[in-house]
Amino acid sequence: KQEVTQIPAALSVPEGENLVLNCSFTDSAIYNLQWFRQDPGKGLTSLLLIQSSQREQTSGRLNASLDKSSGRSTLYIAASQPGDSATYLCAVLSQGAQKLVFGQGTRLTINP
Amino acid sequence: GAVVSQHPSWVICKSGTSVKIECRSLDFQATTMFWYRQFPKQSLMLMATSNEGSKATYEQGVEKDKFLINHASLTLSTLTVTSAHPEDSSFYICSALWQGTREQYFGPGTRLTVT
Repeated sequence: KQEVTQIPAALSVPEGENLVLNCSFTDSAIYNLQWFRQDPGKGLTSLLLIQSSQREQTSGRLNASLDKSSGRSTLYIAASQPGDSATYLCAVLSQGAQKLVFGQGTRLTINP
Repeated sequence: GAVVSQHPSWVICKSGTSVKIECRSLDFQATTMFWYRQFPKQSLMLMATSNEGSKATYEQGVEKDKFLINHASLTLSTLTVTSAHPEDSSFYICSALWQGTREQYFGPGTRLTVT
């Protein structure tokens, strides 16, 4: 059974810093991995999708990496801004599965 | 990215009444949609998988007679909370599956409050 863990649960950093959010999963037989952002009281916004054959994906100041063999993914945020404050969720789709398995999320606060 | 809408965005209903929530895939036809529930400060909990033209598949512990799901077209799935009670108050989110990349696109959520 796939399990997804995100560390840390919460992170607070000053504006302008680069930061890394971590996601680990127990079963390396994955189809893809998605990173989402959720603002309070809102739905999920898809940030990056990494297919199992890929090592990383980039969008603007965001870069996500995938290491299947170690069961890890990282989301790198460069030059953080207060508007980046949100909860970031990692979700894994395993091979042959339909359902995403979510981590518990990292609540990020960027202080001006 | 693709757009998924939900209606209503929030609803207040009295205990014992039924509430219908709509989930629409605006950019693509989705044979598979998902319904999630989210409690405060927690991650998403999958309730059921909705497949167009067939019965939904419910997760263990989810009452299928209470949470009725209908996926009558390739762009619309509905969740009806029947005989709602205060403990059904929650944030309900749907998603649509894009088969090409098997990426899920999420709706903005519906806040249900049962009084």
